[in-house]
Amino acid sequence: DAGVIQSPRHEVTEMGQEVTLRCKPISGHNSLFWYRQTMMRGLELLIYFNNNVPIDDSGMPEDRFSAKMPNASFSTLKIQPSEPRDSAVYFCASSPTAGTPGGPSEQYFGPGTRLTVT
Amino acid sequence: AQSVSQHNHHVILSEAASLELGCNYSYGGTVNLFWYVQYPGQHLQLLLKYFSGDPLVKGIKGFEAEFIKSKFSFNLRKPSVQWSDTAEYFCAVKHNNAGNMLTFGGGTRLMVKP
Repeated sequence: DAGVIQSPRHEVTEMGQEVTLRCKPISGHNSLFWYRQTMMRGLELLIYFNNNVPIDDSGMPEDRFSAKMPNASFSTLKIQPSEPRDSAVYFCASSPTAGTPGGPSEQYFGPGTRLTVT
Repeated sequence: AQSVSQHNHHVILSEAASLELGCNYSYGGTVNLFWYVQYPGQHLQLLLKYFSGDPLVKGIKGFEAEFIKSKFSFNLRKPSVQWSDTAEYFCAVKHNNAGNMLTFGGGTRLMVKP
Protein backbone atom coordinates (compact mmCIF):
# COMPACT_ATOMS: atom_id res chain seq x y z
CA ASP A 1 0.00 0.00 0.00
CA ALA A 2 1.33 3.43 -0.93
CA GLY A 3 0.02 5.05 2.23
CA VAL A 4 -1.63 8.45 2.32
CA ILE A 5 -0.61 10.51 -0.69
CA GLN A 6 -0.47 14.28 -0.64
CA SER A 7 0.31 16.76 -3.37
CA PRO A 8 2.05 19.00 -3.89
CA ARG A 9 4.82 18.37 -1.36
CA HIS A 10 5.90 21.99 -1.48
CA GLU A 11 3.95 25.04 -2.55
CA VAL A 12 5.16 28.61 -2.69
CA THR A 13 2.62 31.23 -3.62
CA GLU A 14 2.00 34.92 -3.32
CA MET A 15 -0.46 36.46 -0.95
CA GLY A 16 -3.94 36.62 -2.44
CA GLN A 17 -3.56 33.57 -4.64
CA GLU A 18 -5.72 30.48 -4.38
CA VAL A 19 -4.03 27.35 -3.05
CA THR A 20 -5.38 23.81 -3.41
CA LEU A 21 -3.90 20.93 -1.46
CA ARG A 22 -4.77 17.37 -2.39
CA CYS A 23 -4.99 14.13 -0.49
CA LYS A 24 -5.59 10.51 -1.42
CA PRO A 25 -6.35 8.40 1.67
CA ILE A 26 -5.41 4.76 2.09
CA SER A 27 -7.82 2.56 0.17
CA GLY A 28 -10.58 1.27 2.39
CA HIS A 29 -10.20 3.95 5.03
CA ASN A 30 -13.44 5.76 5.76
CA SER A 31 -12.21 8.69 7.82
CA LEU A 32 -10.03 11.55 6.60
CA PHE A 33 -8.48 14.36 8.57
CA TRP A 34 -6.76 17.62 7.63
CA TYR A 35 -4.23 19.06 10.09
CA ARG A 36 -2.06 22.16 10.10
CA GLN A 37 1.29 22.25 11.87
CA THR A 38 3.19 25.41 12.79
CA MET A 39 5.91 26.15 15.29
CA MET A 40 3.68 28.56 17.14
CA ARG A 41 0.48 26.53 17.33
CA GLY A 42 1.67 22.96 17.00
CA LEU A 43 -0.60 20.39 15.36
CA GLU A 44 -4.17 21.58 14.81
CA LEU A 45 -7.09 19.56 13.45
CA LEU A 46 -8.82 21.58 10.75
CA ILE A 47 -11.59 19.27 9.56
CA TYR A 48 -12.62 15.63 9.73
CA PHE A 49 -14.65 13.60 7.23
CA ASN A 50 -16.35 10.27 7.80
CA ASN A 51 -17.64 8.44 4.72
CA ASN A 52 -17.02 11.59 2.65
CA VAL A 53 -19.21 13.72 4.93
CA PRO A 54 -17.68 16.54 6.98
CA ILE A 55 -18.23 15.69 10.64
CA ASP A 56 -16.35 18.43 12.45
CA ASP A 57 -15.01 21.58 10.80
CA SER A 58 -14.70 23.63 13.95
CA GLY A 59 -10.96 23.84 13.45
CA MET A 60 -11.16 25.58 10.10
CA PRO A 61 -9.67 28.99 10.85
CA GLU A 62 -11.97 31.15 8.73
CA ASP A 63 -14.06 31.33 5.59
CA ARG A 64 -10.98 31.50 3.40
CA PHE A 65 -10.51 27.80 4.12
CA SER A 66 -12.71 25.14 2.57
CA ALA A 67 -12.44 21.37 2.25
CA LYS A 68 -14.22 18.84 0.10
CA MET A 69 -14.28 15.10 -0.23
CA PRO A 70 -16.15 14.28 -3.46
CA ASN A 71 -15.43 10.56 -3.17
CA ALA A 72 -13.75 8.04 -0.91
CA SER A 73 -10.38 8.36 -2.57
CA PHE A 74 -9.86 12.10 -2.84
CA SER A 75 -10.03 15.24 -0.76
CA THR A 76 -8.99 18.85 -1.25
CA LEU A 77 -8.22 21.69 1.11
CA LYS A 78 -8.51 25.10 -0.51
CA ILE A 79 -7.35 28.46 0.74
CA GLN A 80 -8.68 31.49 -1.11
CA PRO A 81 -7.26 34.07 -0.81
CA SER A 82 -4.06 32.90 0.85
CA GLU A 83 -2.21 35.01 3.43
CA PRO A 84 1.33 34.80 4.83
CA ARG A 85 -0.01 33.55 8.18
CA ASP A 86 -1.30 30.45 6.37
CA SER A 87 2.29 29.31 5.89
CA ALA A 88 2.53 25.90 7.56
CA VAL A 89 2.81 22.20 6.90
CA TYR A 90 -0.57 20.70 6.10
CA PHE A 91 -1.03 17.03 6.85
CA CYS A 92 -3.74 14.70 5.69
CA ALA A 93 -4.42 11.52 7.66
CA SER A 94 -6.80 8.64 7.16
CA SER A 95 -8.24 6.03 9.46
CA PRO A 96 -10.28 2.87 9.04
CA THR A 97 -13.75 3.09 10.47
CA ALA A 98 -14.08 1.15 13.69
CA GLY A 99 -16.38 -1.82 13.50
CA THR A 100 -18.03 -0.79 16.73
CA PRO A 101 -18.39 2.61 18.38
CA GLY A 102 -15.26 3.52 20.25
CA GLY A 103 -13.26 0.75 18.66
CA PRO A 104 -9.58 1.09 17.83
CA SER A 105 -8.72 3.29 14.85
CA GLU A 106 -5.28 4.79 14.56
CA GLN A 107 -4.57 7.49 12.04
CA TYR A 108 -2.06 7.18 9.21
CA PHE A 109 -0.44 10.41 8.16
CA GLY A 110 0.66 11.57 4.74
CA PRO A 111 4.00 13.25 4.07
CA GLY A 112 2.51 16.73 4.30
CA THR A 113 2.46 19.79 2.07
CA ARG A 114 4.77 22.61 3.09
CA LEU A 115 3.00 25.82 2.14
CA THR A 116 4.81 29.14 2.00
CA VAL A 117 2.80 32.27 1.29
CA THR A 118 4.91 35.33 0.55
CA ALA B 1 -13.68 19.06 26.00
CA GLN B 2 -10.96 16.47 25.87
CA SER B 3 -7.44 17.80 26.41
CA VAL B 4 -4.01 16.23 26.36
CA SER B 5 -1.04 17.70 28.21
CA GLN B 6 2.58 17.05 27.51
CA HIS B 7 4.39 18.95 30.19
CA ASN B 8 7.89 18.65 28.76
CA HIS B 9 8.16 20.83 25.69
CA HIS B 10 11.88 20.34 25.13
CA VAL B 11 14.10 17.56 26.42
CA ILE B 12 17.83 17.24 25.86
CA LEU B 13 19.57 13.98 26.70
CA SER B 14 22.89 12.34 26.07
CA GLU B 15 23.05 9.01 24.30
CA ALA B 16 22.37 6.04 26.56
CA ALA B 17 20.36 8.14 29.00
CA SER B 18 16.91 6.95 29.99
CA LEU B 19 13.85 8.75 28.69
CA GLU B 20 10.43 9.39 30.14
CA LEU B 21 7.99 11.76 28.48
CA GLY B 22 4.84 12.65 30.33
CA CYS B 23 1.32 12.59 28.90
CA ASN B 24 -1.88 13.31 30.82
CA TYR B 25 -5.41 13.49 29.46
CA SER B 26 -8.60 14.89 30.85
CA TYR B 27 -11.33 12.44 29.84
CA GLY B 28 -12.51 9.97 32.47
CA GLY B 29 -14.19 7.39 30.27
CA THR B 30 -12.83 4.63 28.06
CA VAL B 31 -9.96 5.87 25.94
CA ASN B 32 -7.58 4.68 23.27
CA LEU B 33 -4.08 6.09 23.64
CA PHE B 34 -1.31 6.65 21.12
CA TRP B 35 2.22 7.94 20.85
CA TYR B 36 3.38 9.28 17.50
CA VAL B 37 6.89 10.30 16.50
CA GLN B 38 7.86 12.92 13.93
CA TYR B 39 11.46 12.80 12.78
CA PRO B 40 12.90 16.05 11.41
CA GLY B 41 11.23 16.95 8.13
CA GLN B 42 8.99 13.92 8.13
CA HIS B 43 5.37 13.07 8.89
CA LEU B 44 3.93 11.58 12.04
CA GLN B 45 4.39 7.85 12.48
CA LEU B 46 2.80 5.61 15.06
CA LEU B 47 5.16 4.45 17.83
CA LEU B 48 2.72 2.49 19.93
CA LYS B 49 -0.90 2.31 20.98
CA TYR B 50 -3.06 1.13 23.84
CA PHE B 51 -6.61 -0.11 23.37
CA SER B 52 -7.17 -2.59 26.18
CA GLY B 53 -5.48 -5.33 28.18
CA ASP B 54 -1.96 -5.09 29.54
CA PRO B 55 -1.40 -1.44 30.51
CA LEU B 56 2.29 -1.72 29.65
CA VAL B 57 2.56 -1.41 25.90
CA LYS B 58 5.64 -2.21 23.86
CA GLY B 59 6.25 -0.25 20.68
CA ILE B 60 8.81 -0.03 17.94
CA LYS B 61 12.46 0.91 18.43
CA GLY B 62 12.53 -0.08 22.11
CA PHE B 63 9.86 2.36 23.25
CA GLU B 64 7.19 1.45 25.77
CA ALA B 65 4.38 3.29 27.51
CA GLU B 66 2.35 2.61 30.60
CA PHE B 67 -1.33 3.42 30.94
CA ILE B 68 -2.20 4.37 34.51
CA LYS B 69 -5.92 4.91 34.57
CA SER B 70 -6.02 6.37 38.08
CA LYS B 71 -3.55 9.05 37.05
CA PHE B 72 -5.00 9.66 33.56
CA SER B 73 -1.48 9.18 32.28
CA PHE B 74 0.25 7.40 29.41
CA ASN B 75 3.95 8.15 29.79
CA LEU B 76 6.45 7.13 27.13
CA ARG B 77 9.72 5.51 28.16
CA LYS B 78 12.90 4.19 26.66
CA PRO B 79 15.73 2.83 28.82
CA SER B 80 18.57 4.00 26.59
CA VAL B 81 18.13 6.63 23.90
CA GLN B 82 20.13 6.94 20.71
CA TRP B 83 21.03 9.96 18.61
CA SER B 84 18.53 8.69 16.00
CA ASP B 85 15.70 9.17 18.53
CA THR B 86 15.98 12.93 18.05
CA ALA B 87 12.46 13.86 17.03
CA GLU B 88 9.21 15.37 18.22
CA TYR B 89 6.88 13.07 20.13
CA PHE B 90 3.12 13.48 20.28
CA CYS B 91 0.70 11.84 22.66
CA ALA B 92 -2.87 11.42 21.38
CA VAL B 93 -6.11 10.24 22.89
CA LYS B 94 -9.37 8.99 21.40
CA HIS B 95 -12.40 8.55 23.57
CA ASN B 96 -15.53 6.59 22.81
CA ASN B 97 -17.66 9.58 21.92
CA ALA B 98 -15.17 11.11 19.50
CA GLY B 99 -15.75 8.96 16.45
CA ASN B 100 -12.34 8.56 14.90
CA MET B 101 -10.99 11.90 16.10
CA LEU B 102 -7.77 12.05 18.04
CA THR B 103 -6.87 14.82 20.44
CA PHE B 104 -3.15 15.52 20.26
CA GLY B 105 -0.88 16.95 22.91
CA GLY B 106 1.38 19.87 22.11
CA GLY B 107 4.38 17.65 21.45
CA THR B 108 7.76 17.20 23.10
CA ARG B 109 10.93 17.94 21.17
CA LEU B 110 13.67 15.49 22.11
CA MET B 111 17.27 16.16 21.23
CA VAL B 112 19.78 13.41 21.87
CA LYS B 113 23.38 14.53 21.94
CA PRO B 114 25.90 12.03 20.55
